[in-house]
Amino acid sequence: KAGVTQTPRYLIKTRGQQVTLSCSPISGHRSVSWYQQTPGQGLQFLFEYFSETQRNKGNFPGRFSGRQFSNSRSEMNVSTLELGDSALYLCASSLGGGPALNNYGYTFGSGTRLTVV
Amino acid sequence: DAKTTQPPSMDCAEGRAANLPCNHSTISGNEYVYWYRQIHSQGPQYIIHGLKNNETNEMASLIITEDRKSSTLILPHATLRDTAVYYCIVVGWEKGGKLIFGQGTELSVKP
Repeated sequence: KAGVTQTPRYLIKTRGQQVTLSCSPISGHRSVSWYQQTPGQGLQFLFEYFSETQRNKGNFPGRFSGRQFSNSRSEMNVSTLELGDSALYLCASSLGGGPALNNYGYTFGSGTRLTVV
Repeated sequence: DAKTTQPPSMDCAEGRAANLPCNHSTISGNEYVYWYRQIHSQGPQYIIHGLKNNETNEMASLIITEDRKSSTLILPHATLRDTAVYYCIVVGWEKGGKLIFGQGTELSVKP
């Protein structure tokens, strides 16, 4: 079956611009999470959506936002880009029902590498 | 969320077992231990998870101590392709299963 698909794979933006990243989860998965990975901070949780509702949120400023659609696809948006937003952004999907239903945990996509110049 | 402690790096000879330890002394009774690995520039890959009992799948074995304060991931016959950063994560599912990644263990499998 198809994995988690993230688009685009690479993106270059200018400071002050905004960006939207897309994530298509595995078919049947209702939970989508977003993570930011940088060399200095490692992998950090941004937020999680389940059935179109934000269920968890990490410690990121309000410039980072997301949403989930009825087909479970998700987008995240970063407004007023800063140089420090340059990172690999990873999306992960799961069934969302906990380990009894979720024997394989989260499946990650290959990520979108964002460079802010 | 319970914190985990892992050694920053380990070496293993190809063909030998790799034993990666993890301390999670503040784990609560309903939290699971998950292991993921990340090969350079790829998304993390799920390996295995457990609650109390030892678990085994086609990739690895997970040994959890009786008091649940620590665990060991075992790759029985390490290959060069197992070179990666391995993350031990404690996950509670009541409010959704967010993953809090630590720094992980960088495993180098050498010929």
